[in-house]
Amino acid sequence: QSVLTQPPSASGTPGQRVTISCSGSSSNIGSNYVYWYQQLPGMAPKLLIYRNNQRPSGVPDRFSGSKSGTSASLAISGLRSEDEADYYCAAWDDSLSGRPCVFGTGTKVTVL
Amino acid sequence: QVQLQESGPGLVKPSETLSLTCTVSGGSIRSYCWSWIRQPPGKGLEWIGYIFYSGGTNYNPSLRSRLTISVDTSKNQFSLELRSVTAADTAVYYCARGIVYDTNQLDYWGQGTLVTVSS
Repeated sequence: QSVLTQPPSASGTPGQRVTISCSGSSSNIGSNYVYWYQQLPGMAPKLLIYRNNQRPSGVPDRFSGSKSGTSASLAISGLRSEDEADYYCAAWDDSLSGRPCVFGTGTKVTVL
Repeated sequence: QVQLQESGPGLVKPSETLSLTCTVSGGSIRSYCWSWIRQPPGKGLEWIGYIFYSGGTNYNPSLRSRLTISVDTSKNQFSLELRSVTAADTAVYYCARGIVYDTNQLDYWGQGTLVTVSS
């Protein structure tokens, strides 16, 4: 089971700003970088944000990440229809043997 | 352009071993970290483990006793073996490339392959 909690769903109209939260603990988000992945329907996940707030080349600056304490957020500004997807946060967890990666529960974003 | 392709049986019987291979093309397997991630139908992502090109590994503690990840640099491939499978291991299995100094930065992914555990 996941140790990173996300809201199951989020929605907005085109052009709006949508924010997705990712709640963890001191052993994961509180002490490690956070990553965000976008999974379009029927596709493999794609890296959206790394090291809390860094965007890989090719990712629009409409996507931004932030972290505060044991929580992180992904913001999508200027929402577009092609942003309709599942979004997952991820982080290393120091409390588990071997320091494994843990994923969030996932958030489905719907563009109304 | 780097591409990853998973291959292996789509159906495995309970109690048997699930074996998958990921072939890397368009780039060398050296100097990177190579991960496996799975996703049960309709559910979220689960990290399985990774291997460095040099052979060092890190596994999900919940799978460690049944799992082996190996790498063959001469073939530009890495593989996953999961023993004693049950229906709970039914999932789409993805392979992905990570950065050695930032192993969670998975920048290239395979398309995924569905493995069903059933008799």
